Amino acid sequence: KAGVTQTPRYLIKTRGQQVTLSCSPISGHRSVSWYQQTPGQGLQFLFEYFSETQRNKGNFPGRFSGRQFSNSRSEMNVSTLELGDSALYLCASTKGTQISNTEAFFGQGTRLTVV
Amino acid sequence: AQTVTQSQPEMSVQEAETVTLSCTYDTSESDYYLFWYKQPPSRQMILVIRQEAYKQQNATENRFSVNFQKAAKSFSLKISDSQLGDAAMYFCAYRGGADGLTFGKGTHLIIQP
Repeated sequence: KAGVTQTPRYLIKTRGQQVTLSCSPISGHRSVSWYQQTPGQGLQFLFEYFSETQRNKGNFPGRFSGRQFSNSRSEMNVSTLELGDSALYLCASTKGTQISNTEAFFGQGTRLTVV
Repeated sequence: AQTVTQSQPEMSVQEAETVTLSCTYDTSESDYYLFWYKQPPSRQMILVIRQEAYKQQNATENRFSVNFQKAAKSFSLKISDSQLGDAAMYFCAYRGGADGLTFGKGTHLIIQP
C-alpha cells in the first residue's frame, strides 16, 4: 500500500511570500498531522486534522494554517514567510484520532528554504 | 504540557554490540503511548517500537526492546547486535489524548564498524 506522499520535496521561497505544502495520507487513514523540524527547535507539532476539521494546534503563529479535504488529503499554508520558517515540514497520517490508533506514518517531508 | 527529554545528544557503539538510548518524559495523563522513531539521513521518520502506558510488559521488536518504567517516567530503547544500518537519529515521542506527538531532541547514534 502506498505510503504518505508529500509534495513538493524541496522548495525555495523569498521572504514575504506564501507557500502551500501538500500531504496525501495512507489510504484509509483519516487523520493528518503536520510537524516542523529545525536544528534549533527540533520537531514541533503544528496541527492535526481529522474529517476536514482541525482537532488541535501547536504553538505557532496564525501565519501557519492548514486544511483537509474530503479525501483526507491535507495542505498547510504559511503566509508572509520569514527566514526562520526554513525547515523540514513533515506530515504524518494515522487511522483515526483515538489513542489506540496513534501509530503515525510519516512522509519524506518538504524541505522549505526561505531566502 | 508534556515534555520529553533525551539526555544523550550522541552515542557511539561498535557493530554487533548493544546500546541503550535514554528517554524520560513528564505527563499528568494516565493513558498515553510512547514511541521510538528512527530518522536516517534520508529524513524519513520510521517507527521503531511503541509502548502502551497501561501495558506492564515491555515492547519488543526483533533486536529492539524498551525498558518502560512508568513510575519513573522512563522509556529507554535497547538495540542489540547493532548493525551499520542502525546509524541514524533516534527520537523518543509521547502521545496523549488530545495533542500530536511530543518529541525529544533526539540522539545521534553512530555505529563503529
